[in-house]
Amino acid sequence: DQQVKQNSPSLSVQEGRISILNCDYTNSMFDYFLWYKKYPAEGPTFLISISSIKDKNEDGRFTVFLNKSAKHLSLHIVPSQPGDSAVYFCAASNFGNEKLTFGTGTRLTIIP
Amino acid sequence: NAGVTQTPKFQVLKTGQSMTLQCAQDMNHEYMSWYRQDPGMGLRLIHYSVGAGITDQGEVPNGYNVSRSTTEDFPLRLLSAAPSQTSVYFCASKTGRGQPQHFGDGTRLSIL
Repeated sequence: DQQVKQNSPSLSVQEGRISILNCDYTNSMFDYFLWYKKYPAEGPTFLISISSIKDKNEDGRFTVFLNKSAKHLSLHIVPSQPGDSAVYFCAASNFGNEKLTFGTGTRLTIIP
Repeated sequence: NAGVTQTPKFQVLKTGQSMTLQCAQDMNHEYMSWYRQDPGMGLRLIHYSVGAGITDQGEVPNGYNVSRSTTEDFPLRLLSAAPSQTSVYFCASKTGRGQPQHFGDGTRLSIL
């Protein structure tokens, strides 16, 4: 049972445009969500997080939106840069539980 | 500051052999965890620890043992390696509740 789903295995975006990565979850107990970025042969790197008491969080070019009623979150990258090409993982947890559940990842390719 | 260090980076084992994957962090983090990543899947939690002397099972604990005798180290033991344990293993640590995890660069393990 995949509790965190990233339905797009890959996404290509032109440099300078907006990249939108999507993530859906099924477990209504999740209240803390994170996005990680992963380059080949490296570990995932934390990008941005959001708790369920918010519906938006921004950090520079990265914004995460949370729609609790739809159990959906998205990561917006504006403007997209070539260095953003990587695999992006969505992850979720229950704040008290602390176990992270990951999605399967979306490979983002930024076209120069 | 080295962060999370995993050794070895690569390892090939024969079925039935045992080995220990090492993980050390120098950030004085209380929380440490082990994940495995398989093709087409997200990272799955194997075991985790919320402090020295305390460990608990994650989503896929079978075939693996852990111990946490110090804050810095969290080794993962494969008692009798099986081909199904061929994977990339990531260790992570964090300061505490509501904080993002910091990952090592992984150990790529092949079981023949």
